[in-house]
Amino acid sequence: GESVGLHLPTLSVQEGDNSIINCAYSNSASDYFIWYKQESGKGPQFIIDIRSNMDKRQGQRVTVLLNKTVKHLSLQIAATQPGDSAVYFCAENSSGYSTLTFGKGTMLLVSP
Amino acid sequence: DTEVTQTPKHLVMGMTNKKSLKCEQHMGHRAMYWYKQKAKKPPELMFVYSYEKLSINESVPSRFSPECPNSSLLNLHLHALQPEDSALYLCASSQRGVTGGDQPQHFGDGTRLSIL
Repeated sequence: GESVGLHLPTLSVQEGDNSIINCAYSNSASDYFIWYKQESGKGPQFIIDIRSNMDKRQGQRVTVLLNKTVKHLSLQIAATQPGDSAVYFCAENSSGYSTLTFGKGTMLLVSP
Repeated sequence: DTEVTQTPKHLVMGMTNKKSLKCEQHMGHRAMYWYKQKAKKPPELMFVYSYEKLSINESVPSRFSPECPNSSLLNLHLHALQPEDSALYLCASSQRGVTGGDQPQHFGDGTRLSIL
């Protein structure tokens, strides 16, 4: 299930389940979005990106969905594995500069 | 392994010390970034260098001083830091300059900084 802790929302799933991590963004001018995975003691690792002219993009075991109408982004992970346990951040770009604004993050916990 | 290398991995310093963080990438990327990340929080942008020139300074206190000696290296010089500056400092790079539009940033694993 999903719970909101003091600082970081947490999603707990069983190994083999599909996971869906959500992100709401506020800037309707944002036109580029990235999902990052950050494991403990590591830097953010690029997972997948999507531009605003698309509403879906698939990678290996991951799918990103973009709903511009409600300013919502989601990351779907198929057949979640214990190695997927990490904090996941969405990030958006809305300026002419290649700078990113990060969302608050969601911790994904995968139980064997 | 990340292609952006940061040293040292950990640093403990007193408030009167002077130290430097280093970041290196050999991917030919032309934009490099410094971020600060507190525990359980997202990274916050500090500085951006594009083609070795400082392009963005997000109103960072002067006790943090960035430097880009060449296109592969990025330093962050630290002086007279405060306990609240304790954090993970992340370096990132992207292929084109900072006005190069939509492009991902690639991060190093950071330097964990503790101020005593």
